[in-house]
Amino acid sequence: GIQVEQSPPDLILQEGANSTLRCNFSDSVNNLQWFHQNPWGQLINLFYIPSGTKQNGRLSATTVATERYSLLYISSSQTTDSGVYFCAVVERGADGLTFGKGTHLIIQP
Amino acid sequence: DTGVSQDPRHKITKRGQNVTFRCDPISEHNRLYWYRQTLGQGPEFLTYFQNEAQLEKSRLLSDRFSAERPKGSFSTLEIQRTEQGDSAMYLCASSLVHGDTQYFGPGTRLTVL
Repeated sequence: GIQVEQSPPDLILQEGANSTLRCNFSDSVNNLQWFHQNPWGQLINLFYIPSGTKQNGRLSATTVATERYSLLYISSSQTTDSGVYFCAVVERGADGLTFGKGTHLIIQP
Repeated sequence: DTGVSQDPRHKITKRGQNVTFRCDPISEHNRLYWYRQTLGQGPEFLTYFQNEAQLEKSRLLSDRFSAERPKGSFSTLEIQRTEQGDSAMYLCASSLVHGDTQYFGPGTRLTVL
């Protein structure tokens, strides 16, 4: 099956800093989503982005499908951005999402 | 659009007991998915439905796990003879069509004593 690797595994930043999270995947995909998991376990949709670039406020994402990677940018970090960020893909010919192991982001005041 | 809901939010049970979880997808979403998440890991896909048809069963963790979606609306996930290793968060998601955005519910956290 498809492999999804996220980096870095952990990231500690000061409030106001910018960050880039990376997701590499090993095969062609129909779907790529970025999620933020809050402390209560809820997975919050950030982006549906199988290709191209999208922006939503301080967050933006870019997926280069031909090179099999996606990037999530967080600008001007706030403490509420803390949590685990997951990249997940649906492999071509499959249906369920395959998740990476996540990036654990801590924003310090 | 009320989002995906799951019930109960927490379940504590003793080893050997059966448990059943419910998921109500976003209305008009044809696809419904079940995932399991253990501590420190990303969610793991278990099974999914297109309307009432269960189209993928091979990823269910053992024959103690079963799922239904009898009328193509809500779904239930049952675990028989629970074991301590079944302790995890069980997540449900729904989407309108194949390849579309999957929206997740808040999850049911299971603790097996």
